[in-house]
Amino acid sequence: NAGVTQTPKFQVLKTGQSMTLQCAQDMNHEYMSWYRQDPGMGLRLIHYSVGAGITDQGEVPNGYNVSRSTTEDFPLRLLSAAPSQTSVYFCASSYSAARNEKLFFGSGTQLSVL
Amino acid sequence: ELKVEQNPLFLSMQEGKNYTIYCNYSTTSDRLYWYRQDPGKSLESLFVLLSNGAVKQEGRLMASLDTKARLSTLHITAAVHDLSATYFCAASYNNNDMRFGAGTRLTVKP
Repeated sequence: NAGVTQTPKFQVLKTGQSMTLQCAQDMNHEYMSWYRQDPGMGLRLIHYSVGAGITDQGEVPNGYNVSRSTTEDFPLRLLSAAPSQTSVYFCASSYSAARNEKLFFGSGTQLSVL
Repeated sequence: ELKVEQNPLFLSMQEGKNYTIYCNYSTTSDRLYWYRQDPGKSLESLFVLLSNGAVKQEGRLMASLDTKARLSTLHITAAVHDLSATYFCAASYNNNDMRFGAGTRLTVKP
């Protein structure tokens, strides 16, 4: 099993550019989410989805969009990149939308916005 | 709003010693998670604690939850170098939102 796959692993953007971080899971998980990790801080939830066609905002959603057209994929779009979005991004999933279960994390995307 | 605080943020300990990491959360939450992160790596789930008084153990790590005190602890017994990592606790909020602490960077020295 591949688990949770994120691409790319590294990305450098210029301010104002847009891009999409890809996330795919092959475990038939209902719940998927995106986090950002900044130095000295824990992970902060950006957006999450409890199933195909359903998304909602987390703690820090501004500047990001998501969609969930299939169970497997949950891409994160940066609309107009800003230096404040320089961070490490993690995608995570779990089996149950009730969220009693642990999250499985992808390997992360290190994003730098110049 | 749910806030999660860990202490200490940095912990340097000698092999063979015991220590405890504390995780406090600010509002009602009956799900508490512990994760481990090695440098430059992703997060790995350690424990999920679902009820007051829950205790889980794996190897040299033991986690407990006191929902009345809004406190979880991660106890390290007879530390070894392989336990060096950053440990995060997280509490669930509204079933779909998970809030993380800032992490405790543990270094175990010989």
